[in-house]
Amino acid sequence: EVQLVESGGGLAQPGGSLGLSCAASGFTFSGYWMSWVRQAPGKGLEWVANIKQDGSEKYYVDSVKGRFTISRDNANNSLYLQMNSLRAEDTAVYYCARSGGATRSFGFWGQGTLVTVSS
Amino acid sequence: QSVLTQPPSVSAAPGQKVTISCSGSSSNIGNNYVSWYQQLPGTAPKLLIYDNNRRPSGIPDRFSGSKSGTSATLGITGLQTGDEADYYCGTWDSSLSGYVFGTGTKVTVL
Repeated sequence: EVQLVESGGGLAQPGGSLGLSCAASGFTFSGYWMSWVRQAPGKGLEWVANIKQDGSEKYYVDSVKGRFTISRDNANNSLYLQMNSLRAEDTAVYYCARSGGATRSFGFWGQGTLVTVSS
Repeated sequence: QSVLTQPPSVSAAPGQKVTISCSGSSSNIGNNYVSWYQQLPGTAPKLLIYDNNRRPSGIPDRFSGSKSGTSATLGITGLQTGDEADYYCGTWDSSLSGYVFGTGTKVTVL
């Protein structure tokens, strides 16, 4: 059974940093593109970033470029999102998701982890 | 501000049919595969349709997808109370080099 379990969410101050993790199991992690998708309270879905199987390609939504870094550790079946220079508008539930390719659909999602940016 | 536009809400009685539109452009829907996601209250999104019109294993054939030009449509037949949820379209945008989601549509079963 495919499982994606996010962790690392919590409260951060504006301008601060936070790191998210996603533990994957039940599939060959190194065979898939992975993404982070977020959802602000009461709002719609927003794709944040994705990363190729070997980490050689990464894409980001404009609003996080230069502040967020996506990475992965295939040996430990883990996906990461390092978030720096956090802003109030980064407050959201962050989901880890698996896709069949850079441009393809998200077939499996984690349960999400809440990030709150507030002083 | 999403580049994919959906109606804010649609509704119908149990057993009836609803359709949800998703309007985009040549840089997204026009040249890339469209997917549809269902998000039940308080839960993570779930993939309903991928590659414009294909259903993942376990998704009933009451759900269907289609694409024409720069628009896509999700259809739900035999509406059930359990279908009350938010629905999102999504696709890659070649100009933005990023994945984009629609604005979301709330389905209400009357």
